[in-house]
Amino acid sequence: GQQVMQIPQYQHVQEGEDFTTYCNSSTTLSNIQWYKQRPGGHPVFLIQLVKSGEVKKQKRLTFQFGEAKKNSSLHITATQTTDVGTYFCVSGAGSYQLTFGKGTKLSVIP
Amino acid sequence: GAVVSQHPSWVICKSGTSVKIECRSLDFQATTMFWYRQFPKQSLMLMATSNEGSKATYEQGVEKDKFLINHASLTLSTLTVTSAHPEDSSFYICSARGRTSGGLWNEQFFGPGTRLTVL
Repeated sequence: GQQVMQIPQYQHVQEGEDFTTYCNSSTTLSNIQWYKQRPGGHPVFLIQLVKSGEVKKQKRLTFQFGEAKKNSSLHITATQTTDVGTYFCVSGAGSYQLTFGKGTKLSVIP
Repeated sequence: GAVVSQHPSWVICKSGTSVKIECRSLDFQATTMFWYRQFPKQSLMLMATSNEGSKATYEQGVEKDKFLINHASLTLSTLTVTSAHPEDSSFYICSARGRTSGGLWNEQFFGPGTRLTVL
């Protein structure tokens, strides 16, 4: 898989605030996947982006894939305590092997 | 989504002993299974990839003689940590990939993980 850099590493937000995590690669990605891992749990697949400039929404979550297919973002509107966890962007790189970014750990203060 | 189980969920063993972890796909055939290791506060690191009926492919730096992987069927893969040492203590997670109704071809379904503590 191809290396992906993820920022920020940690984010603390007040409940109701928005949250964004960014994922960057120095090379063009064939696809990007996003996973969420709750504390003590295992990664759960959220979404896959394949097309240049693609935007997908899941309720309060908005996922974007850059035009050059080198970056991606996950935006959460009006965070809730249930959003707590670590969000990983994962490169599929055209193969089935996944390369995980370091993740962004989200804490939500009630 | 598809379900992957892992057993045991946690294990404590003495240094020098071997531990076997099972990963099962419960409602689909897993053509490929992956084993990851996750140290506290770190990301998942791929250890090896196994296809049913063939030898596993190990990532660089992972000792294949220490981490024995067997993928004997389309629903079961095992990871055996041989002669475990305290530095092997970690969270081991398997994932499985296969065709499911409505699933993406390269979506992976993760097991709940096994927490290994070596004393």
